[in-house]
Amino acid sequence: GAVVSQHPSWVICKSGTSVKIECRSLDFQATTMFWYRQFPKQSLMLMATSNEGSKATYEQGVEKDKFLINHASLTLSTLTVTSAHPEDSSFYICSARDQGSRRYEQYFGPGTRLTVT
Amino acid sequence: SQQGEEDPQALSIQEGENATMNCSYKTSINNLQWYRQNSGRGLVHLILIRSNEREKHSGRLRVTLDTSKKSSSLLITASRAADTASYFCATERLRSNDYKLSFGAGTTVTVRA
Repeated sequence: GAVVSQHPSWVICKSGTSVKIECRSLDFQATTMFWYRQFPKQSLMLMATSNEGSKATYEQGVEKDKFLINHASLTLSTLTVTSAHPEDSSFYICSARDQGSRRYEQYFGPGTRLTVT
Repeated sequence: SQQGEEDPQALSIQEGENATMNCSYKTSINNLQWYRQNSGRGLVHLILIRSNEREKHSGRLRVTLDTSKKSSSLLITASRAADTASYFCATERLRSNDYKLSFGAGTTVTVRA
């Protein structure tokens, strides 16, 4: 099956620093990738939709300048949390849609746990 | 935005029993999907049911969809300890020119050995 990886799987950073999270589709090309965040014992909230070669579409309430998304190739999207604060601590999950498969199939990465101290 | 609401929030059952959880949503959808998430891990896709389908089976899983009531249920039969996880429904609909998923709050299932 289609595999999506995320790196790093966990990261601890100091308040005020920036952190980059990578999302890669390993065995397929993904024209669209999605970024979600999940707080403990809560649901996934869609942050933004990333299309290869174009600007990301952010959901209402998500700060574009704080969560920078770059979908530079058909297999890689990155999420950079800029000037991180403790309230940004969360579980970030990406998913990718295989451009060769049925429209509704999304494959999820294993997630990245970010802790901001 | 979170469209789905699930109940119960938590469910504890004995191994071998069936587990049923429900999901309700608010707007029209293209399809509804169920996912499983083990603690601290990513999501595993379980089953998808299209808006024109009423019931679907996959192994020990049975999903129903009632579009008139805007609700779905997931039944896990003959549960096993390995079924212990959080289960989320997700509705897919067209938003901002793309098909996106909105997740429910999830049901945490604990299967006791």
